[in-house]
Amino acid sequence: EVQLLESGGGLVQPGGSLRLSCAASGFTFSNYAMTWVRQAPGKGLEWVSTISGSGDSTYYADSVKGRFTISRDNSRTTLYLQMNSLRVEDTALYFCTHSGNYFLNWGQGSLVTVSS
Amino acid sequence: EIVLTQSPGTLSLSPGERATLSCRASQRVGSSSLAWYQQKPGQVPRLLIYGASTRATGIPDRFSGGGSGTDFTLTISRLEPEDFAVYYCQQYGSSHLTFGGGTKVEIK
Repeated sequence: EVQLLESGGGLVQPGGSLRLSCAASGFTFSNYAMTWVRQAPGKGLEWVSTISGSGDSTYYADSVKGRFTISRDNSRTTLYLQMNSLRVEDTALYFCTHSGNYFLNWGQGSLVTVSS
Repeated sequence: EIVLTQSPGTLSLSPGERATLSCRASQRVGSSSLAWYQQKPGQVPRLLIYGASTRATGIPDRFSGGGSGTDFTLTISRLEPEDFAVYYCQQYGSSHLTFGGGTKVEIK
């Protein structure tokens, strides 16, 4: 059974930083691309970033490019999202998802709140 | 970036009725790389359809997807009480993935 468990969310001031983690199990982690998707309170889904299975290729939404960095540690089967220069509009529930195209498996999400 | 526009924004129907949801792309979605999700309040999205028309494992056959190119549809043949939710389309034909804004299917 695929399991994805996000952590690292919290309250941060505008301009601050946070690092999200997603611990994965139940599948061969290094064989799959991984993706972060976010959902602002009461809003729709927004793709944030995708990383290839090897970690060699990364892709970002324009809204986070240059501020967020996706990475992975295949030995620890863990996905990361380093978020810098956070803005109020980054407030959202951040989901870790399995694969880089469509998403069968989702974590429960980690809430990031950017507020002064 | 491929922009996905979903319509209508809200669909008010009664149980047993047929629901037709639309997803229009700003440019052609390659290889019919389109998925549909259902999301209920407080829950994570659930994959319904991928490849524009292939039902995910365990999805009832009252859900069907169709279309190609820039125009896609999700049809729910007969609405069950548990089908009232928000539905999102998502394209994965380009390296920059995008979601539509969602259609809420509510009880009339």
